[in-house]
Amino acid sequence: GAVVSQHPSRVICKSGTSVKIECRSLDFQATTMFWYRQFPKQSLMLMATSNEGSKATYEQGVEKDKFLINHASLTLSTLTVTSAHPEDSSFYICSAEGAGGGNQPQHFGDGTRLSIL
Amino acid sequence: AQSVAQPEDQVNVAEGNPLTVKCTYSVSGNPYLFWYVQYPNRGLQFLLKYITGDNLVKGSYGFEAEFNKSQTSFHLKKPSALVSDSALYFCAVRAPNRDDKIIFGKGTRLHILP
Repeated sequence: GAVVSQHPSRVICKSGTSVKIECRSLDFQATTMFWYRQFPKQSLMLMATSNEGSKATYEQGVEKDKFLINHASLTLSTLTVTSAHPEDSSFYICSAEGAGGGNQPQHFGDGTRLSIL
Repeated sequence: AQSVAQPEDQVNVAEGNPLTVKCTYSVSGNPYLFWYVQYPNRGLQFLLKYITGDNLVKGSYGFEAEFNKSQTSFHLKKPSALVSDSALYFCAVRAPNRDDKIIFGKGTRLHILP
């Protein structure tokens, strides 16, 4: 089946650091990738949608200068949390879908646990 | 606007008993419906989907779900629960227009008691 690899799985860093998270589709071409944030005991919050070669579409309330998304190829999208602060600590999950249409499931990475000290 | 509701935050079931995790939806047109499972500190895993055809959909790990158009529901079921089924379950809906986003429910935590 379709596999999405997300790295790193866990990051602990000091306040003010920028952190890059990678999301790769290993065996299919991901025309669209999604970035979610999940708070403890809560559902997924969609942060942004990225299509290969174009600018990401951010959800309302998500700071695009804070959360930089790049989708440079059909197999790789990155999320960079710039100048991270403790309130950015969370579980970030990416997902990807191919060109098969909206009736296809999204394929998720295993998430990145970000802890800002 | 499309929406999905999971009315139960938590469901407790004894091992070996049948389980049901509820999901209702609201969408214009015929929906695409999905169930995902999330284990601790992991991403979501796809379980099953309904697109069209038979109302009873079978998926991974022995799970199935029944699409009920009149009740706008898509409840997840399993005839005999296992302790390893304990996890967080998400229902999701998407309108047929591909430009519409997939909307996730808030999740239901399933506890299977040994």
